[in-house]
Amino acid sequence: GESVGLHLPTLSVQEGDNSIINCAYSNSASDYFIWYKQESGKGPQFIIDIRSNMDKRQGQRVTVLLNKTVKHLSLQIAATQPGDSAVYFCAEAHSGYSTLTFGKGTMLLVSP
Amino acid sequence: NAGVTQTPKFQVLKTGQSMTLQCAQDMNHEYMSWYRQDPGMGLRLIHYSVGAGITDQGEVPNGYNVSRSTTEDFPLRLLSAAPSQTSVYFCASSPGGARNSPLHFGNGTRLTVT
Repeated sequence: GESVGLHLPTLSVQEGDNSIINCAYSNSASDYFIWYKQESGKGPQFIIDIRSNMDKRQGQRVTVLLNKTVKHLSLQIAATQPGDSAVYFCAEAHSGYSTLTFGKGTMLLVSP
Repeated sequence: NAGVTQTPKFQVLKTGQSMTLQCAQDMNHEYMSWYRQDPGMGLRLIHYSVGAGITDQGEVPNGYNVSRSTTEDFPLRLLSAAPSQTSVYFCASSPGGARNSPLHFGNGTRLTVT
């Protein structure tokens, strides 16, 4: 099976709970941030993005918060469902560069 | 709409063999890129292209070549495979570059080098 989940931090929640996945980024020049979801055997799938001129952005059941002071990004998932079980990656784009740098990921496990 | 299509899905190579991983997108995206994913390492950028005829190196380019002769295709070539290249390879594209719009990923090629 897919081995990308080995050695990843894991968040275990019950169905219906709210989940918060955290990410620390390293480059203060980064100005674009994205959250991706990766299910076993598939490529990463876009969830939500935010630019550095914003602190918060909401989507359907998801909210991304950006704290530039401490270089921290979080993804909040409301009413977590078993289908939300996956590995979640944050990614940052550096000002002046055409590349995206990914974090190492967090595995979310949702129990019915 | 097929999106980003990667072939093959699985490949086993012997050390020293060469091969090309194919990537095609039908969304007319200018930006395309290749990542490798290893356990505990996240996704690392190998090469990228901002348009036909233009390529550049990412974080881990050694042992890989790319070319971009058309907007649609961005093949990744392994010149002489090594066990350290055992990984899952993802191709991704976006309309406006990595800083302007989210990447769309293919479902990956799982490569084993023995």
